[in-house]
Amino acid sequence: GAGVSQSPSNKVTEKGKDVELRCDPISGHTALYWYRQSLGQGLEFLIYFQGNSAPDKSGLPSDRFSAERTGGSVSTLTIQRTQQEDSAVYLCASSLFAGGDYNEQFFGPGTRLTVL
Amino acid sequence: RKEVEQDPGPFNVPEGATVAFNCTYSNSASQSFFWYRQDCRKEPKLLMSVYSSGNEDGRFTAQLNRASQYISLLIRDSKLSDSATYLCVVPMNTGFQKLVFGTGTRLLVSP
Repeated sequence: GAGVSQSPSNKVTEKGKDVELRCDPISGHTALYWYRQSLGQGLEFLIYFQGNSAPDKSGLPSDRFSAERTGGSVSTLTIQRTQQEDSAVYLCASSLFAGGDYNEQFFGPGTRLTVL
Repeated sequence: RKEVEQDPGPFNVPEGATVAFNCTYSNSASQSFFWYRQDCRKEPKLLMSVYSSGNEDGRFTAQLNRASQYISLLIRDSKLSDSATYLCVVPMNTGFQKLVFGTGTRLLVSP
């Protein structure tokens, strides 16, 4: 079946602009995660959604970052007033469930964001 | 101390060699661990889970040393296709919602 998809695959923007990154999780997966991976850095947890529960936003680096998940499926990560330090690969992952035994997180191909 | 630390490498080995990577973690309460593999400019994919003392899957063996708070990944009979970055992953909480990823160890297998 189809895996996690993300769009766009690449995004170049100017400092100060807003960007929206989209994630389509695997059908039936109730948990969705956003990470970012900066050059030479490990994956950094940003936010996760589990079903209709309130999202855990504890990893968002600033209030310029927000995310929503509509209808328990597609998610959008929005970065307002982008800064050069926001340049990174933004990865989305989904899993059957978050909690209890580990359910493998399947990652999308990522969106490579470059802020000029 | 970082939550998860790995030697970035690269480890350059010939085909057929045995190679091992270590990963140290700071949270002594962590119970489960994972190794993910990430090919260049690709997404990470789960390689192995480690729930007790260790796990073996074909040429890959993962071992856990709780006393010293490190996990290791051993690859035997290296193949060219094993060339990748190997990420050590430690859950932050019991629900596995938050994973802490190491920066990865890069492996290059040459003919």
